Amino acid sequence: GAGVSQSPRYKVAKRGQDVALRCDPISGHVSLFWYQQALGQGPEFLTYFQNEAQLDKSGLPSDRFFAERPEGSVSTLKIQRTQQEDSAVYLCASSPRLAGVNTDTQYFGPGTRLTVL
Amino acid sequence: AQRVTQPEKLLSVFKGAPVELKCNYSYSGSPELFWYVQYSRQRLQLLLRHISRESIKGFTADLNKGETSFHLKKPFAQEEDSAMYYCALRGGYSTLTFGKGTMLLVSP
Repeated sequence: GAGVSQSPRYKVAKRGQDVALRCDPISGHVSLFWYQQALGQGPEFLTYFQNEAQLDKSGLPSDRFFAERPEGSVSTLKIQRTQQEDSAVYLCASSPRLAGVNTDTQYFGPGTRLTVL
Repeated sequence: AQRVTQPEKLLSVFKGAPVELKCNYSYSGSPELFWYVQYSRQRLQLLLRHISRESIKGFTADLNKGETSFHLKKPFAQEEDSAMYYCALRGGYSTLTFGKGTMLLVSP
């Protein structure tokens, strides 16, 4: 079946612009995660949803970052007034089970590469 | 705080040579450890997890709580093993903490 999909795959924004990144998780997956991966680094956690509830947003770097998953399926990560340091690959992952349950596996999307000029 | 350290950015070996990708972690409780792999132009995918104690594509990893390590090993590297490898830790309920990754290059 279809895996996690993300759009757009590439986004170039001018500093100060707002961007919206979309994630379509695997159908029926309960948990959804967003990660930020800067060049040469491993993915870093941003936020986590269980269905439509955002249970952890401790990784969001500033109040310019906002994520939602209103119907418990598709999620959008919005970045307002983008800065150059926001340039990174944004990864979305979904998991069929509640997070923390033994043997739950996170399935990753291809990522959106954001470049802020 | 939880932390994952992968000391090598790049590991280059010849085909048929043994491989060991190092991973050390810092976590006060009982962690769950994973290895993820990203092949060229593909997405990040789970390779193996310590609780499964399985061998995937010839790779194994043993959790050593005394040394707080979870090194990934393969006795005979293949060219198709060339990829980026990330060690990850899950402490608590959900989030994964990743290392910076090690690029494995296997030359013919």
